[in-house]
Amino acid sequence: EPEVTQTPSHQVTQMGQEVILRCVPISNHLYFYWYRQILGQKVEFLVSFYNNEISEKSEIFDDQFSVERPDGSNFTLKIRSTKLEDSAMYFCASNSVLYNEQFFGPGTRLTVL
Amino acid sequence: KQEVTQIPAALSVPEGENLVLNCSFTDSAIYNLQWFRQDPGKGLTSLLLIQSSQREQTSGRLNASLDKSSGRSTLYIAASQPGDSATYLCAVMGDAGNMLTFGGGTRLMVKP
Repeated sequence: EPEVTQTPSHQVTQMGQEVILRCVPISNHLYFYWYRQILGQKVEFLVSFYNNEISEKSEIFDDQFSVERPDGSNFTLKIRSTKLEDSAMYFCASNSVLYNEQFFGPGTRLTVL
Repeated sequence: KQEVTQIPAALSVPEGENLVLNCSFTDSAIYNLQWFRQDPGKGLTSLLLIQSSQREQTSGRLNASLDKSSGRSTLYIAASQPGDSATYLCAVMGDAGNMLTFGGGTRLMVKP
């Protein structure tokens, strides 16, 4: 069964460094999302992406964050200058049709020291 | 702003019991509601999706209901098994966008 994949599974970085989290959505899906979950807290929406542009973003998704679909399969989240409070599990999701079921990847655990 | 609440936060039951997990949301203008399962340190597995026009959905031992006007959904798990132990999350999609708003989850433990 097709699934969303994410790499790496765990990323450790120093505060102020740039990180890129990678996702491969399900192949025929057109809508892509990033969410994050700080330890012990709710899953929070960051951004949605369709047709090579951001369609919606939350207050969390400030100028330090960017997303890109560099080729036909990958979808990336970049954090330019990481902060301690960026430590969280980051989930990628995708769906084929807007308003349909979203399928989530296994997550990347980001630890900022 | 949509707020999603799940009660109880934790639940422990003996194997074989039928149980109900509750989800409530403050804004009834939703497009759909999705239930997920999350194992410790893992991703989110989609269990059921209910569109706003539907009243319930079933998958195996799981049955989810939706009362949009009162802002409530329940997830019914029949004949619980130790393998059902996980955190169950509900999430709603508003009709003005495609983002999911999540509840805090119910951590379920099914004892053999």
